[in-house]
Amino acid sequence: NAGVMQNPRHLVRRRGQEARLRCSPMKGHSHVYWYRQLPEEGLKFMVYLQKENIIDESGMPKERFSAEFPKEGPSILRIQQVVRGDSAAYFCASSPYGRQGTDTQYFGPGTRLTVL
Amino acid sequence: DQQVKQNSPSLSVQEGRISILNCDYTNSMFDYFLWYKKYPAEGPTFLISISSIKDKNEDGRFTVFLNKSAKHLSLHIVPSQPGDSAVYFCAAMANFGNEKLTFGTGTRLTIIP
Repeated sequence: NAGVMQNPRHLVRRRGQEARLRCSPMKGHSHVYWYRQLPEEGLKFMVYLQKENIIDESGMPKERFSAEFPKEGPSILRIQQVVRGDSAAYFCASSPYGRQGTDTQYFGPGTRLTVL
Repeated sequence: DQQVKQNSPSLSVQEGRISILNCDYTNSMFDYFLWYKKYPAEGPTFLISISSIKDKNEDGRFTVFLNKSAKHLSLHIVPSQPGDSAVYFCAAMANFGNEKLTFGTGTRLTIIP
């Protein structure tokens, strides 16, 4: 019974390149969340998706960042034209039902993005 | 605007004693609270949660207490074990219809053998 899978675990990009982070939720989970953790800080919410729909992207920077969760395949967090300030750990979480106020999110191991 | 606060960045406790980690929140709409444990280079691991309709939830060595009037919750670990050394995050969820978690900045717990 695999947990939340993320790949790659480590990603190095030069300024101006694109970064693609992938997340496969736990089996049976149809709700995916992306969080970012900057050094010495807590996790900050970025976006919440269900299959083929973005439910809440209030934490997503307005430019260069996008996310999708297609009908088939993993969720993708895409960062275009990366800058050094994008260097962080990006965590994906999934939950089964999205019930209000009672649902537990289970996290993947994270992708550590380093921008040179 | 830090809506969930963990004011102690670090805590050291002797093995076998009780560890108490604290968390305060400001948003009165939060009604579901979770504690996660995190080791370096790993994702957060869910520990225990509590709904605002309760004031206590217990699971093995872990107990979470919620004081709604004070907007305060705490995690008690007893007895503390060396494997408990990690960073502990408090998180909260509001019943607005979305499911995002708001995290505190974490407390690094060190268990001294």
